Amino acid sequence: NAGVMQNPRHLVRRRGQEARLRCSPMKGHSHVYWYRQLPEEGLKFMVYLQKENIIDESGMPKERFSAEFPKEGPSILRIQQVVRGDSAAYFCASSPTSGNEQFFGPGTRLTVL
Amino acid sequence: GESVGLHLPTLSVQEGDNSIINCAYSNSASDYFIWYKQESGKGPQFIIDIRSNMDKRQGQRVTVLLNKTVKHLSLQIAATQPGDSAVYFCAEGTGTYKYIFGTGTRLKVLA
Repeated sequence: NAGVMQNPRHLVRRRGQEARLRCSPMKGHSHVYWYRQLPEEGLKFMVYLQKENIIDESGMPKERFSAEFPKEGPSILRIQQVVRGDSAAYFCASSPTSGNEQFFGPGTRLTVL
Repeated sequence: GESVGLHLPTLSVQEGDNSIINCAYSNSASDYFIWYKQESGKGPQFIIDIRSNMDKRQGQRVTVLLNKTVKHLSLQIAATQPGDSAVYFCAEGTGTYKYIFGTGTRLKVLA
């Protein structure tokens, strides 16, 4: 059973470009969570999604950030018009149901030049 | 301007010794606690969890202790090995999904 997959593992963007981060949950998991981690800090919750629904996006910046988890395909975290402060590691986790252990992917490291 | 990042607290232990990593959590309503291990360049890896109706739980070489009175969580690693070197995070949850992660402790195992 493959774990949580994220791609790309590393992404470099110039200021003003768009970043798209993808997450494929573990097989059988329909709950996806996105977290952001700055260097030397803990993970910060961003958004929780189930298939086709955003359940909680209280940790997402109000502008430029969006997330989706379509019926088919991976979950996407989209950052428009990136700024240097968006540089971080973005981790996706999945679980079979809410309230269970979350399994983390390897992360996408975004660098904004 | 330039921002100054916080440096993770570091615990250095000799190989073979026991390690104790501590964590203070913030929400008295939290009822689920997890310890994660994160190696450089990788995602967090689940180590052990505990629910608030327990005060101790043991796994393979690891023990988690929960003191709800002072909102304190600890992770004990027995016979620490070089492969245990990593950053360790505690996380608290309210039984649903929103985990709050601590800032982490770096464990260095000395040969």
